[in-house]
Amino acid sequence: EAGVAQSPRYKIIEKRQSVAFWCNPISGHATLYWYQQILGQGPKLLIQFQNNGVVDDSQLPKDRFSAERLKGVDSTLKIQPAKLEDSAVYLCASAGTSGSQETQYFGPGTRLLVL
Amino acid sequence: AQSVTQLGSHVSVSEGALVLLRCNYSSSVPPYLFWYVQYPNQGLQLLLKYTSAATLVKGINGFEAEFKKSETSFHLTKPSAHMSDAAEYFCAVIRGGSNYKLTFGKGTLLTVNP
Repeated sequence: EAGVAQSPRYKIIEKRQSVAFWCNPISGHATLYWYQQILGQGPKLLIQFQNNGVVDDSQLPKDRFSAERLKGVDSTLKIQPAKLEDSAVYLCASAGTSGSQETQYFGPGTRLLVL
Repeated sequence: AQSVTQLGSHVSVSEGALVLLRCNYSSSVPPYLFWYVQYPNQGLQLLLKYTSAATLVKGINGFEAEFKKSETSFHLTKPSAHMSDAAEYFCAVIRGGSNYKLTFGKGTLLTVNP
């Protein structure tokens, strides 16, 4: 079974530029999460999708961050414009349903550096 | 608010020694509890999880954790450390009724000395 795929793995941009990250969850997983992990901290949830609907985006800085999950499979996370403090690892995770939805499986992450 | 506290941001042990990583949670509802491991430049890998079945949970790579409700703790142990165990370890909790939202601790970096 293939795991959660993310791309790109690394990205360097200048502040005020825009950037987009892509995530492909484990096949059949209805729930998809995006996390931000700042160096030295645990991951922090940005947004949670159930199929193609948003369940929780309370910690997503909506003035600059946006995310979508068209057709309930792949997802993209966009930052526009980027700030220095957005430098972090962006992790995507997915979870199944029917008794296993408490376990999230993580992708390798995208490491973003904003200069 | 749900929180997770990991005592010690950095733990150093010798190869073959006992590994003990501490985690305490705050919750009024028995939670789901997890330990994840993160190797350099990789995502998080599930080590083990507690879901209100047995209080002693065995995971991968020889790790185990014991849920103690009276102490609100979920400490991670391994009898004998291996060099390959060097990584960052995160304790996380799902509070009941939270739409399965994970809340992570700040992590503990484990160093294993030869």
